[in-house]
Amino acid sequence: NFMLTQPHSVSESPGKTVTISCTRSSGSIGSNYVQWYQQRPGSSPTTVIYEDNQRPSGVPDRFSGSIDSSSNSASLTISGLRTEDEADYYCQSYDGSTLVFGGGTQLTVL
Amino acid sequence: QVQLVESGGGAVQPGRSLRLSCAASAFTFNYYVMYWVRQAPGKGLEWVSAISYDGTSEYYADSVKGRFTISRDNGKNAVYLQMNSLRPEDTALYYCARDAGGGGSGNYFWAKWIDSWGQGTLVTVSS
Repeated sequence: NFMLTQPHSVSESPGKTVTISCTRSSGSIGSNYVQWYQQRPGSSPTTVIYEDNQRPSGVPDRFSGSIDSSSNSASLTISGLRTEDEADYYCQSYDGSTLVFGGGTQLTVL
Repeated sequence: QVQLVESGGGAVQPGRSLRLSCAASAFTFNYYVMYWVRQAPGKGLEWVSAISYDGTSEYYADSVKGRFTISRDNGKNAVYLQMNSLRPEDTALYYCARDAGGGGSGNYFWAKWIDSWGQGTLVTVSS
């Protein structure tokens, strides 16, 4: 199985743009779709990006996803940061029938 | 909207057993792969197990294989997790979750990502 590695934490100011990376340890990042989940304190996760770059209905277009074959990583970019974006973010992919989660990134908006 | 309600969590001693339940509503339950995902206190998400739409196929994380058993009752719109030989490292909030795929009329799609989560049930394993 491969691993997905995320930075432990990132911080940025309101109104700015932040990018969270998710690096796949082995195999191609493009082999399997990557999803991103947001988890606010005390709440269950919700999906903000699926299939690399698709947004579920209701997720603002400030959230975008991409993959980069050269770095074998996926990225979640949040523009126009708001205090409500402060949360933990997890990337997720799959290996056969196993779901693989990244370790999570704590986003602080200060 | 989709509702997933977990129950059955609690405090148990190492080596004991516990059975979690998840009651699903507001969607055609037997069209979907279902999951259990756990989150240890202050830690990240860990996939635990998955079960096919008809219950004929089960999948487990290495950390629980041989100790946990997932099952479902499509007549009751419920999925279960039987947890045996519990260890302190199994202490976590256990989420029931639905795969984003679905299907019907003999065609099923396993998306391998989650579009709905329950609120979780807490399992504490300690002596």
